[in-house]
Amino acid sequence: DIQMTQSPSSLSASVGDRVTITCRASQGISNSLAWYQQKPGKAPKLLLYAASRLESGVPSRFSGSGSGTDYTLTISSLQPEDFATYYCQQYYSTPPCTFGQGTKLEIK
Amino acid sequence: EVQLVESGGGLVKPGGSLRLSCAASGFTFSSYSMNWVRQAPGKGLEWVSSISSSSSYIYYADSVKGRFTISRDNAKNSLYLQMNSLRAEDTAVYYCAREESYYDSSGYSHDAFDIWGQGTMVTVSS
Repeated sequence: DIQMTQSPSSLSASVGDRVTITCRASQGISNSLAWYQQKPGKAPKLLLYAASRLESGVPSRFSGSGSGTDYTLTISSLQPEDFATYYCQQYYSTPPCTFGQGTKLEIK
Repeated sequence: EVQLVESGGGLVKPGGSLRLSCAASGFTFSSYSMNWVRQAPGKGLEWVSSISSSSSYIYYADSVKGRFTISRDNAKNSLYLQMNSLRAEDTAVYYCAREESYYDSSGYSHDAFDIWGQGTMVTVSS
């Protein structure tokens, strides 16, 4: 199974900051990567797929990049509603698809 | 409105059984692969099982293989997860999720989970 490792595990930032979260796969996954946002007590929400493609309705301040084994999620200017936990997911080698352990983004 | 609604969670003793349901509405259920994903309290997301649109392909995580059975009824727009021989480590919120296929310019399919239910809590405890 492909292991996904996110860093950092938690992050404190302020409204307006630019934030980057990294996801590393244990082997190349050819951009077969999605990012999800989860708020407490809620279901995950798809933000991006194919590493950099924005899901319909997701604000353009969210962007993704990467290739091979290393991928990033960037939020260009943090908004109050962006404080949440973020997960990456690989679907290159399935089953199983696998998720990163999550990055909790907190208000500084 | 596109929607998934889970039900069937609850408290069950170790070794017991539970059947989860996921009712779909607002889209052509029979056209999509579906998945169950779980989240233990305070933990991350874990994929549990998937089923193709016509039930031809079914997969399980190693952690539930032989104990859980996924199924669907396209006539009823419903997805199910039969959980047997439950263990304490199965305690989690269980989400059903729709798998959307996004095709890139080379025709490669990117299969992400675009619609999720609100989740149903399963607690395994004596």
